[in-house]
Amino acid sequence: GAGVSQSPRYKVTKRGQDVALRCDPISGHVSLYWYRQALGQGPEFLTYFNYEAQQDKSGLPNDRFSAERPEGSISTLTIQRTEQRDSAMYRCASSLGGEGSPLHFGNGTRLTVT
Amino acid sequence: AQSVTQLGSHVSVSEGALVLLRCNYSSSVPPYLFWYVQYPNQGLQLLLKYTTGATLVKGINGFEAEFKKSETSFHLTKPSAHMSDAAEYFCAVSEDNDMRFGAGTRLTVKP
Repeated sequence: GAGVSQSPRYKVTKRGQDVALRCDPISGHVSLYWYRQALGQGPEFLTYFNYEAQQDKSGLPNDRFSAERPEGSISTLTIQRTEQRDSAMYRCASSLGGEGSPLHFGNGTRLTVT
Repeated sequence: AQSVTQLGSHVSVSEGALVLLRCNYSSSVPPYLFWYVQYPNQGLQLLLKYTTGATLVKGINGFEAEFKKSETSFHLTKPSAHMSDAAEYFCAVSEDNDMRFGAGTRLTVKP
């Protein structure tokens, strides 16, 4: 596809359930990023990958959050035992990599935990 | 780690007036700086970026930003606001391919 694709677009889940959010980056993009954005706030860094290697996961809030990118393309962000405070917009972005490469964002997944 | 501070969570200007959105950064190495715009219910779009070279950077939709190392600033300006400029604007700094964003400034344009 032409842009970064995220699915699902909306996800409503009950507290305690696990969720998996998918990101399909722009073809050929080396770097892939996950951010969380609360309403009225800037994107909060979660983690990023170069190819399949997770370079920095310091932004993941706790060990219920994990991410993988096994083949260096599609990535999955998994939240286990969801809590209401996990409700937010989760945004994925990709870039060509290298210093100064701009990020291309997807439209996000709106997660609501009830 | 690198960080960005955006002064003013809300800015309101009249149509045709100057737009000035402020951004200060912190980085341990020469920074790569970006401005992104987010329209309602959409993803973030790149407005402009500074990597190296000329410190005055021109972007899309008539926006520009000036990198001032001495002030650690990268303020965004536009000479004449248009109604379509109403949006959320985010400043970002990248270090070692790790990009961090400011909290954003919501721009309102009054007719």
